[in-house]
Amino acid sequence: SQKIEQNSEALNIQEGKTATLTCNYTNYSPAYLQWYRQDPGRGPVFLLLIRENEKEKRKERLKVTFDTTLKQSLFHITASQPADSATYLCALDRGNNNDMRFGAGTRLTVKP
Amino acid sequence: EPEVTQTPSHQVTQMGQEVILRCVPISNHLYFYWYRQILGQKVEFLVSFYNNEISEKSEIFDDQFSVERPDGSNFTLKIRSTKLEDSAMYFCASSEAYSPLHFGNGTRLTVT
Repeated sequence: SQKIEQNSEALNIQEGKTATLTCNYTNYSPAYLQWYRQDPGRGPVFLLLIRENEKEKRKERLKVTFDTTLKQSLFHITASQPADSATYLCALDRGNNNDMRFGAGTRLTVKP
Repeated sequence: EPEVTQTPSHQVTQMGQEVILRCVPISNHLYFYWYRQILGQKVEFLVSFYNNEISEKSEIFDDQFSVERPDGSNFTLKIRSTKLEDSAMYFCASSEAYSPLHFGNGTRLTVT
């Protein structure tokens, strides 16, 4: 069956450190992978998209890698701030359609 | 910046009643979606809609559910006879082709 697994339910780090979140998938052949941020009581907000032929994508303090051999994406937030505290969701397309499937998310807490 | 709007923000209904959740997608988007999120759980795909028809639906989207785009701006989700387990946050999203999803802030449905 198809699975999207985000390595930990919760991650606590100190302000200024780099947060690294993992997304692993099985039985998917995604053309692209996306990361979203979700705050309590709000809808997910798109952060970054990376395509299957791209190894790495950056946007300001965010970096995403995509390894289609390992079936894994890593999401990094450098110089983390308390305002980065949220749940981060990995999402994959199913290759034949535009709809996305989401992992369960990792709740990141950045402590001052 | 254009956004997806959902109404109402909170709906309380009795078991067995019909509910209609409403969404106004971003105006130039062609793909529309409904997702749901039971409290503390992951964002689950329900249905995608394109060109005035359902393009994909999940096993959750059974005969009790229906979607409609009654005019050029609204997109609705109807649950014909609500059950207790339908209590969740329902998110509408829209997108261009093979592009990130833009989510609304959801309707919290409580079935008593």
